[in-house]
Amino acid sequence: AQSVTQLGSHVSVSEGALVLLRCNYSSSVPPYLFWYVQYPNQGLQLLLKYTSAATLVKGINGFEAEFKKSETSFHLTKPSAHMSDAAEYFCGCLGGSEKLVFGKGTKLTVNP
Amino acid sequence: DVKVTQSSRYLVKRTGEKVFLECVQDMDHENMFWYRQDPGLGLRLIYFSYDVKMKEKGDIPEGYSVSREKKERFSLILESASTNQTSMYLCASRGSPMAAVLTHLQTPNYGYTFGSGTRLTVV
Repeated sequence: AQSVTQLGSHVSVSEGALVLLRCNYSSSVPPYLFWYVQYPNQGLQLLLKYTSAATLVKGINGFEAEFKKSETSFHLTKPSAHMSDAAEYFCGCLGGSEKLVFGKGTKLTVNP
Repeated sequence: DVKVTQSSRYLVKRTGEKVFLECVQDMDHENMFWYRQDPGLGLRLIYFSYDVKMKEKGDIPEGYSVSREKKERFSLILESASTNQTSMYLCASRGSPMAAVLTHLQTPNYGYTFGSGTRLTVV
């Protein structure tokens, strides 16, 4: 069975600063990995996904993530934070089963 | 675009009531899921279904049951609602693995689509 750990339940950055949200996974088979964003009172929206093609994945809204097998990581980054990036972010892992397993989420605050 | 529709955005129910949360998808997806979202706990899988009348327990099935009589509809049932079931409930659907492989270039979320959620309060 797979598992996901998101380091840091809350991350706070200044507008224009680098955003780094950490995700480590555990899977017995090569995984598919996802980052989702949830704005207040809304459902989950896919930011980007890794499906065994390029290890550096670019997503929407300027986000990207790099799959590092040796570190079992899939950290999410954005060079310059915007106020509209304030939301909760979830890392997900799809292993050998049909079940998508999520981390506990990281709430991003962007300060002016 | 695939749409997953959850019938209620907000629900308030009394302890002991039987509660039905409905989810409908319009893309003929085989797999459907019910997750529960709580602060600090992320999303936890309650039940999922990979075909009509088929169901499997997720990580936290206790106190819940599900029904999948038609491919497009997946219902979550709280037989006797309790206050600790106050939560946000999210439904998702996904096509079969082969369909997902064939279509993933066109389907940006690799076939997983989430509904907008139902916030259930049990009083």
